Amino acid sequence: GQNIDQPTEMTATEGAIVQINCTYQTSGFNGLFWYQQHAGEAPTFLSYNVLDGLEEKGRFSSFLSRSKGYSYLLLKELQMKDSASYLCAVKDSNYQLIWGAGTKLIIKP
Amino acid sequence: GAGVSQTPSNKVTEKGKYVELRCDPISGHTALYWYRQSLGQGPEFLIYFQGTGAADDSGLPNDRFFAVRPEGSVSTLKIQRTERGDSAVYLCASSWDNYGYTFGSGTRLTVV
Repeated sequence: GQNIDQPTEMTATEGAIVQINCTYQTSGFNGLFWYQQHAGEAPTFLSYNVLDGLEEKGRFSSFLSRSKGYSYLLLKELQMKDSASYLCAVKDSNYQLIWGAGTKLIIKP
Repeated sequence: GAGVSQTPSNKVTEKGKYVELRCDPISGHTALYWYRQSLGQGPEFLIYFQGTGAADDSGLPNDRFFAVRPEGSVSTLKIQRTERGDSAVYLCASSWDNYGYTFGSGTRLTVV
């Protein structure tokens, strides 16, 4: 079966750095996405990785290792507005997105 | 339009009733997806349209669920004989390249 695993909840302090991990087992791989979702709102796109390595975009970076079926999202200089759920999704061999359950990130002052 | 628009934003219906949920994608986006999201879960794939045709409807849970996109733009998700288990947020997303997805704000369906 297809499976995306990520921690259910994480807590971090304002101004700090947090890393959210995602491991996947899917039928084929055509890219991995990270989305941010605030409570009651739609998911919004953060990053896309299809090749191994680190993609940096401002305070957010995303890493992919295809051989390990592993990705992480790194958030730096955390702000209170970063409190949200972070969803990992993999595009499989049929080009369909398989979603993880999301990681709820709680930022404390 | 500037974004993906979904109406209504909230729908409360009685068990056994019929409901229609509408999605108006970004102009020019040929791909349209319907997802269902329960609290604390990621989106669950329902159906994917490429143009007017349903390219993949394998995620529809049963024959009470049906979706159309007759002119390749607006799509309607139809649920017959609603059940309490259908309560969820129904999300629509559109894309022009099947890589960048833009989501609507969703319709929160509550079956009582």
